[in-house]
Amino acid sequence: AQSVTQLDSHVSVSEGTPVLLRCNYSSSYSPSLFWYVQHPNKGLQLLLKYTSAATLVKGINGFEAEFKKSETSFHLTKPSAHMSDAAEYFCVVTGNTGGFKTIFGAGTRLFVKA
Amino acid sequence: KAGVTQTPRYLIKTRGQQVTLSCSPISGHRSVSWYQQTPGQGLQFLFEYFSETQRNKGNFPGRFSGRQFSNSRSEMNVSTLELGDSALYLCASSLVAGGITGELFFGEGSRLTVL
Repeated sequence: AQSVTQLDSHVSVSEGTPVLLRCNYSSSYSPSLFWYVQHPNKGLQLLLKYTSAATLVKGINGFEAEFKKSETSFHLTKPSAHMSDAAEYFCVVTGNTGGFKTIFGAGTRLFVKA
Repeated sequence: KAGVTQTPRYLIKTRGQQVTLSCSPISGHRSVSWYQQTPGQGLQFLFEYFSETQRNKGNFPGRFSGRQFSNSRSEMNVSTLELGDSALYLCASSLVAGGITGELFFGEGSRLTVL
């Protein structure tokens, strides 16, 4: 079975400081992992994806994530937060467990203070 | 390239009515999946269609149904609406079935309010 847990429902940072959004996953198979971002009243947009190539994945808008199999984690980071980063972020796992399933985490709301 | 288009964007219905939502995927995408998003339950998978066939289904009652047309456009229908059906309904398209790549392209959603 697959599952994904986002460890923080809310994260608040000041503009210009680093961002860390945490995600742990569980998968019986080699998973593919993703981060999506959702701005208010918008659909979700893919930030980055891991599909068993390089473990450090770079995405759009300066975000990156590192796949750590030993820790079953896929945390999202950004060196310096911008006001426009304020949004909800979803960690997603997909894989073949009797049919491909895409499982979304509960989401982490990122607040950026001026 | 046009993105995923969902219509209508906003709608208000009363309990007991039914509603049909439409989704036009990105040109060339054959997979369309639907999600319900609420503050309490987050994003929940409804169903996925690929080449007019339902490939996967989430844990929703039979009041929720969908279909896909030969041009890959999809509709979902909710009958006998309940207050709890108030949500943002998101459609996502992808090139391949089953979200194999996980690379989903989302529309902006249809916000349904049930009174």
